[in-house]
Amino acid sequence: AQTVTQSQPEMSVQEAETVTLSCTYDTSESDYYLFWYKQPPSRQMILVIRQEAYKQQNATENRFSVNFQKAAKSFSLKISDSQLGDAAMYFCAYRSGNTGNQFYFGTGTSLTVIP
Amino acid sequence: GAVVSQHPSWVICKSGTSVKIECRSLDFQATTMFWYRQFPKQSLMLMATSNEGSKATYEQGVEKDKFLINHASLTLSTLTVTSAHPEDSSFYICSARGGTIPYEQYFGPGTRLTVT
Repeated sequence: AQTVTQSQPEMSVQEAETVTLSCTYDTSESDYYLFWYKQPPSRQMILVIRQEAYKQQNATENRFSVNFQKAAKSFSLKISDSQLGDAAMYFCAYRSGNTGNQFYFGTGTSLTVIP
Repeated sequence: GAVVSQHPSWVICKSGTSVKIECRSLDFQATTMFWYRQFPKQSLMLMATSNEGSKATYEQGVEKDKFLINHASLTLSTLTVTSAHPEDSSFYICSARGGTIPYEQYFGPGTRLTVT
């Protein structure tokens, strides 16, 4: 089974500053998808950004961008101009492009935004 | 688009009783639905995968006789926790596949189950 590792259980950032959350994964597949989800206190899972492994260009969604290093199996999330509303748990997730539908989630990073 | 709802959002039941949680895809047909369990400050743990019209596939360690999953239509899946015990208290999240992006899952808002 694929594994997803988030080595930072907690992170904090000053409002308006930039923070990077780390994620690494282990797979032997070449076709897969990677995701970052945000889970605020409401517990609703919110998709932040997605990356198809076959795309070399890093995905970007407004203040959120990723650094996808396929050879290193690394998928970090950068949040620019951090806002108070960014405070949440962030989960990195992997989905195979070939076998099954299952998502594999990391253990999460709790992000605190300091005003 | 691609909205998933869950009902109820919070349920309290007595030990030994059964409780049913509904998961609905509101604006798309969900060919596959997933049920997750999440303990406080932990990640999501996949319990089972269900395809419309067929039996659910349970993950290792999940009791299929205790967590009954029914996916009778393309828009509805239900999770029934039978003979609930306090250790079943958790947050249950469903997700659905079948929206405009085929490889993506759309998550419901979750159901908090408390067994007293």
